Amino acid sequence: AQKVTQAQTEISVVEKEDVTLDCVYETRDTTYYLFWYKQPPSGELVFLIRRNSFDEQNEISGRYSWNFQKSTSSFNFTITASQVVDSAVYFCALSGGTNDYKLSFGAGTTVTVRA
Amino acid sequence: DARVTQTPRDKVTEMGQEVTMRCQPILGHNTVFWYRQTMMQGLELLAYFRNRAPLDDSGMPKDRFSAEMPDATLATLKIQPSEPRDSAVYFCASGLGIKNTEAFFGQGTRLTVV
Repeated sequence: AQKVTQAQTEISVVEKEDVTLDCVYETRDTTYYLFWYKQPPSGELVFLIRRNSFDEQNEISGRYSWNFQKSTSSFNFTITASQVVDSAVYFCALSGGTNDYKLSFGAGTTVTVRA
Repeated sequence: DARVTQTPRDKVTEMGQEVTMRCQPILGHNTVFWYRQTMMQGLELLAYFRNRAPLDDSGMPKDRFSAEMPDATLATLKIQPSEPRDSAVYFCASGLGIKNTEAFFGQGTRLTVV
């Protein structure tokens, strides 16, 4: 069975602070993919990143960075110098193995950035 | 700017009524998903189509829910009869590829059954 745990329910920061969102996953598959999605107040889910289990290189995209560590089954997401527009719910998700078509989502972390 | 389009955005209906939600996937995408989002259950997969064929609908209550793809540009999700517990946001998503593809989501249909 696949499972994604986002232990942080809510995080509140002041603008320009860095914020790190934790994601821990469980899977028995050797090949799997991890994802992050953003859900702003408008409601749509916005795809941010997909990583496969064989690529542990960290990735940076603008103010966003991701740290993938297979040894701890974690795929953490950091927003550097947060802005009010970063306020959203962020979801980590997993697919792979016999569930290679569907995303198993975590419960989400609500990030509030205050001006 | 290619995107998944869902209609209606909001729907309020009375218990027992039929509800139809529509989705236009991104042109060229061969996979379509229906997800439901509730506070209690989070995001759950209801149905999955590949090349218009339903491959997994195990997440749907079979007695009242049905999902179809009449053609490559339209996916529908019907609830008949609707119940208050069906109140949720229903997302359609589409993707390109077979395995482990990222899914691109529409804006969702917020359904309220009273």
